[in-house]
Amino acid sequence: DGGITQSPKYLFRKEGQNVTLSCEQNLNHDAMYWYRQDPGQGLRLIYYSQIVNDFQKGDIAEGYSVSREKKESFPLTVTSAQKNPTAFYLCASARTGGTGELFFGEGSRLTVL
Amino acid sequence: AQSVTQLDSQVPVFEEAPVELRCNYSSSVSVYLFWYVQYPNQGLQLLLKYLSGSTLVKGINGFEAEFNKSQTSFHLRKPSVHISDTAEYFCAVSKSGGSYIPTFGRGTSLIVHP
Repeated sequence: DGGITQSPKYLFRKEGQNVTLSCEQNLNHDAMYWYRQDPGQGLRLIYYSQIVNDFQKGDIAEGYSVSREKKESFPLTVTSAQKNPTAFYLCASARTGGTGELFFGEGSRLTVL
Repeated sequence: AQSVTQLDSQVPVFEEAPVELRCNYSSSVSVYLFWYVQYPNQGLQLLLKYLSGSTLVKGINGFEAEFNKSQTSFHLRKPSVHISDTAEYFCAVSKSGGSYIPTFGRGTSLIVHP
């Protein structure tokens, strides 16, 4: 079955450590996105990529980094510069030239102790 | 720029009652409209979408929504809710013919009581 796989589902880290969240898709979508979700704040766009080897900052990119070396993969690194990293992170993908309909992974919950 | 306003952060309702979740948007161009549902600790899944054509759109799980261009609204309705409909619902809009990055509302928490 085609879909998006995020891992790990739950992650605990100490303050000051970098963390990398994995996102893999087998939908053959060109575009991929990372969102952060906090209670009552909806979804906020961190980074997006519409083609391999290219990505753009979203609304809250500070303290995060991404790479897009393969079409299927779009990992997110939460760096120690991110002041409040505890959140639920969602990866999504979409067809370029489509309608903007997103396909989401199951999410990764990061807790920084 | 486009924006989405979900007018209610929380909607409590009793089982088998009807429900309406409200969504208004602003955009200077034609748009596509979406409703997504999110169950606890899961990702979002598409409930329904409006691209063009009939303004009444039917989705999964008995939900429907009506696109009203003059009122720039896309309200979600269900005639009779179940306990299992308890979830977070997100309205989203993307520009037709644009970069396709959608804008999301802040979400409405639907709480169905027995």
